[in-house]
Amino acid sequence: DAKTTQPPSMDCAEGRAANLPCNHSTISGNEYVYWYRQIHSQGPQYIIHGLKNNETNEMASLIITEDRKSSTLILPHATLRDTAVYYCIVKETSGSRLTFGEGTQLTVNP
Amino acid sequence: NAGVTQTPKFRILKIGQSMTLQCAQDMNHNYMYWYRQDPGMGLKLIYYSVGAGITDKGEVPNGYNVSRSTTEDFPLRLELAAPSQTSVYFCASSYWGQEKAFFGQGTRLTVV
Repeated sequence: DAKTTQPPSMDCAEGRAANLPCNHSTISGNEYVYWYRQIHSQGPQYIIHGLKNNETNEMASLIITEDRKSSTLILPHATLRDTAVYYCIVKETSGSRLTFGEGTQLTVNP
Repeated sequence: NAGVTQTPKFRILKIGQSMTLQCAQDMNHNYMYWYRQDPGMGLKLIYYSVGAGITDKGEVPNGYNVSRSTTEDFPLRLELAAPSQTSVYFCASSYWGQEKAFFGQGTRLTVV
């Protein structure tokens, strides 16, 4: 699975958009980009995933660059409850294990 | 559906004791995973299984054993507990390794 690089921490003001970057320059053609988050002490929670097109669901939007070497997770209107560690993971959809890096600690401030 | 259920939620073990962390899922998922998370760190994969009767090592398998006799259950066994195994353990499952994985709420284990 391709390795990912994320900033260790970010801050965001409540109500503003949170944009979390992820670099995955060694991603291969059949690997997807997944995002999970972990709110303090809880089990991780799936957010969104995509291959090359931008994706949006009720939680967030995922923007993947055309060369697929980086992506951005967007929380359009961050709330205090979005404070969590966000993990960017690159893997094939099946047949491979799910491994986590260190993630980005997002702190949403009032 | 209960999702992924882990038991116990908390446990204190003495050095050298053994125990089994239980994990059950009711979503008919093929893939199941065990992770450990040390304080302030990310999740490390211990073992995973792609179906009943099939298990494979992850990043940190030493000191642990697993079995997968049914689709629903994936117990993690610690034979000789050591202080280095003090951690929070998470179990997860997914359908054929695709899309989203569902996680349990974790087991907090302290070895003293």
